[in-house]
Amino acid sequence: SQKIEQNSEALNIQEGKTATLTCNYTNYSPAYLQWYRQDPGRGPVFLLLIRENEKEKRKERLKVTFDTTLKQSLFHITASQPADSATYLCALGDFGNEKLTFGTGTRLTIIP
Amino acid sequence: KAGVTQTPRYLIKTRGQQVTLSCSPISGHRSVSWYQQTPGQGLQFLFEYFSETQRNKGNFPGRFSGRQFSNSRSEMNVSTLELGDSALYLCASTQAWGYEQYFGPGTRLTVT
Repeated sequence: SQKIEQNSEALNIQEGKTATLTCNYTNYSPAYLQWYRQDPGRGPVFLLLIRENEKEKRKERLKVTFDTTLKQSLFHITASQPADSATYLCALGDFGNEKLTFGTGTRLTIIP
Repeated sequence: KAGVTQTPRYLIKTRGQQVTLSCSPISGHRSVSWYQQTPGQGLQFLFEYFSETQRNKGNFPGRFSGRQFSNSRSEMNVSTLELGDSALYLCASTQAWGYEQYFGPGTRLTVT
């Protein structure tokens, strides 16, 4: 069965450093991968989308890579700030339908 | 543009009752998806509607149903509520396949 794992439940990073979150998947050939941020009591907020034929995407301090051979995506936040503290979710999308399959999430805390 | 709205935000029901949740997508978005989020299972896909037709369905029992109206607004219904149905129910809309999904704030359902 399809399985998506995010490297750890919780990650603590010192302010100013780069936070790197991992998303691994098995038994899946996604068409694209998305990263979302979720704050407590709120719905997920879209951050970045990368398609299966793309290797890397950037947006301001965010960078995502996608390696379909390793079946892995890495999500980087550079120059991290306490405001970046949240739960980050990766989600895989199928070809031809809107269903997203989500990972379990990583709770990131940026320590001042 | 106004974001995705969901009503009600909070709901308390008793086992055996039924409940209807409502979602209004972003204007112009015709695809609406529903997800259930629990601490144990994370975010799980319920179903997706496009132009009043259910296109995709997740692995949930038939007690979970939905519909979409001609103005793209969507409702989901859960009948014969069980304690395990307590969760945050999220609605998301998207403009087309392969694009980001915009989530609403969710409806927190508590079944007692």
